[in-house]
Amino acid sequence: QPVLTQPPSVSGAPGQRVTISCTGSSSNLGTGFDVHWYQQLPGTAPKLLIYINTARPSGVPDRFSGSKSGASASLAISGLQAEDEAEYYCQSYDRTLSGLLVFGGGTKLTVL
Amino acid sequence: QVQVQESGPGLVKPSETLSLMCTVSGDSVSSFYWSWIRQPPGKGLEWVGYVSYTGSTKYNPSLESRVTISADTSKNQLSLRLNSVTAADTAVYFCARGKGATGTLDVWGQGTTVTVSS
Repeated sequence: QPVLTQPPSVSGAPGQRVTISCTGSSSNLGTGFDVHWYQQLPGTAPKLLIYINTARPSGVPDRFSGSKSGASASLAISGLQAEDEAEYYCQSYDRTLSGLLVFGGGTKLTVL
Repeated sequence: QVQVQESGPGLVKPSETLSLMCTVSGDSVSSFYWSWIRQPPGKGLEWVGYVSYTGSTKYNPSLESRVTISADTSKNQLSLRLNSVTAADTAVYFCARGKGATGTLDVWGQGTTVTVSS
């Protein structure tokens, strides 16, 4: 089971706003480690979408935004477009054992 | 522009060793952290491990007994070796640059598919 919990799927109509949650624990997000978000289009490599909880890399539209509070984080996508249909993953660091990078299980976004 | 390219055999027999290379251009493997991540067919992402700019390594505890990651600074390449593979190791393997030991994976390769089968 992934260390970070995401809903398996979300959907929305073009132009709408959707959010994807990422729930961790006291050994990762809850202890202050940052969350990062990736978008994976079908058949391609993941692409960095949001880093350090809220920052957007150059070239990522401001329709994408991130937030974090305690052991939970969220990715919001406003003004949904057909090309946003993809798998979205959250990622952080977990301090259990000797420490490791951890991912959520992924959320499939369907644009209706 | 930083680019990362994975390469290696697409087919490995069970119980043998999986060996992959990652060639980096536009940056040095002597800087930052360089991770391997894998994705089994139809499943999510799993971090395998990284080699740092100092040459130190950290591995996923679930794979630690079987995995070795190293960097060749003269060729600006990374390598991944995974011993005693089984069908469960069938996956797309990605190489990615990490900004810090706990942080962002900001540049990814396109990935290389490895199938474990006799």
